[in-house]
Amino acid sequence: AQKITQTQPGMFVQEKEAVTLDCTYDTSDQSYGLFWYKQPSSGEMIFLIYQGSYDEQNATEGRYSLNFQKARKSANLVISASQLGDSAMYFCAMRSTFILTGGGNKLTFGTGTQLKVEL
Amino acid sequence: EAQVTQNPRYLITVTGKKLTVTCSQNMNHEYMSWYRQDPGLGLRQIYYSMNVEVTDKGDVPEGYKVSRKEKRNFPLILESPSPNQTSLYFCASSFLADRNTEAFFGQGTRLTVV
Repeated sequence: AQKITQTQPGMFVQEKEAVTLDCTYDTSDQSYGLFWYKQPSSGEMIFLIYQGSYDEQNATEGRYSLNFQKARKSANLVISASQLGDSAMYFCAMRSTFILTGGGNKLTFGTGTQLKVEL
Repeated sequence: EAQVTQNPRYLITVTGKKLTVTCSQNMNHEYMSWYRQDPGLGLRQIYYSMNVEVTDKGDVPEGYKVSRKEKRNFPLILESPSPNQTSLYFCASSFLADRNTEAFFGQGTRLTVV
């Protein structure tokens, strides 16, 4: 079974500062993917960034980067130069990428971190 | 535009009154699923479908039904809703074989059962 743990229910950061949102995972799969989604107050789920378990480089997408430490089973999201619009709930999720794994493409989610960006 | 469309966005209903939340995607995805989001619990999978006429239970299927008669549509049915099904519901879709890409989510449906 897969499990995602996000230990920070809420975080505050000042505008223009960098912030790290923690995510640890547990899985017996050798091949898996890690995702981060943003959920603003309007409710929709917005995909931010993806990291494959065999990717040698940490993923980056604009101001988002994923600090992937496979041995520690952590996949922390780093947001650089925070903006007021970054205030939202952030979810870490994982999925097995082994095609024969039962359950198809199920995503296992953490409980989320509520980020508030302050002036 | 590639999208997953859920309807309705908001719904208030009474206990026991059957309801259906529709979900449609235009990306020819084989895999579709429903999640519910509750505070402190994240998103949990209710049901999923790997293709037309192929559906299976997720982690929290009790009280829900689904059907997949067409590839693009995957409705969620609550035959006798109860207050503990008050939640935020998401439909999601993705290509079955390409697990390195993100799932696309609908806008969400806020359901209140009184």
